Amino acid sequence: DVKVTQSSRYLVKRTGEKVFLECVQDMDHENMFWYRQDPGLGLRLIYFSYDVKMKEKGDIPEGYSVSREKKERFSLILESASTNQTSMYLCASSHGLYDNEQFFGPGTRLTVL
Amino acid sequence: QKEVEQDPGPLSVPEGAIVSLNCTYSNSAFQYFMWYRQYSRKGPELLMYTYSSGNKEDGRFTAQVDKSSKYISLFIRDSQPSDSATYLCAMSYTMDSSYKLIFGSGTRLLVRP
Repeated sequence: DVKVTQSSRYLVKRTGEKVFLECVQDMDHENMFWYRQDPGLGLRLIYFSYDVKMKEKGDIPEGYSVSREKKERFSLILESASTNQTSMYLCASSHGLYDNEQFFGPGTRLTVL
Repeated sequence: QKEVEQDPGPLSVPEGAIVSLNCTYSNSAFQYFMWYRQYSRKGPELLMYTYSSGNKEDGRFTAQVDKSSKYISLFIRDSQPSDSATYLCAMSYTMDSSYKLIFGSGTRLLVRP
């Protein structure tokens, strides 16, 4: 059974804190993605990675950075959290970069106070 | 204007009803059309996937694409309470080595026993 796991289901942080969201996949997928999901806005791509140490900006990268030191692990970093980063964060992976099937983790609901 | 529009619902139907979920889009370059299902507190999972225009059936589910009208639909026959979830349409294209995947914002469906 394919699996994408995320380190936390719920997270509450203060404005200005540095926040790390971790994602691990066990499918040996080359590609990993970070999205945020907001009501009425759908899933918006923040960053993606097509190989270890490789990363590309998505549609809304501002305020975020990522790290991929190992194939199975992709981290999203909020350098200085702000209230407008309160959201549901979803990690996904896929075998091919252009695969239309992405496998999602359960999400991390982040609240920034 | 958003590239993909989807009514957020909620759509509430009695068990056994036929459900119709829809999305409209503005970019005629989209070639692949997907429906993802997202249960509460879970990540989205791919339900159906079609290429270009036409119908595709899988059990109680039928996906329909009308590229001339830029309109896609998901029909659920004999709906069950277990179908209660948020349904996200998604669409993509590949052009000149670039790839674009866009998700709709999702329609929440509730099937009442």
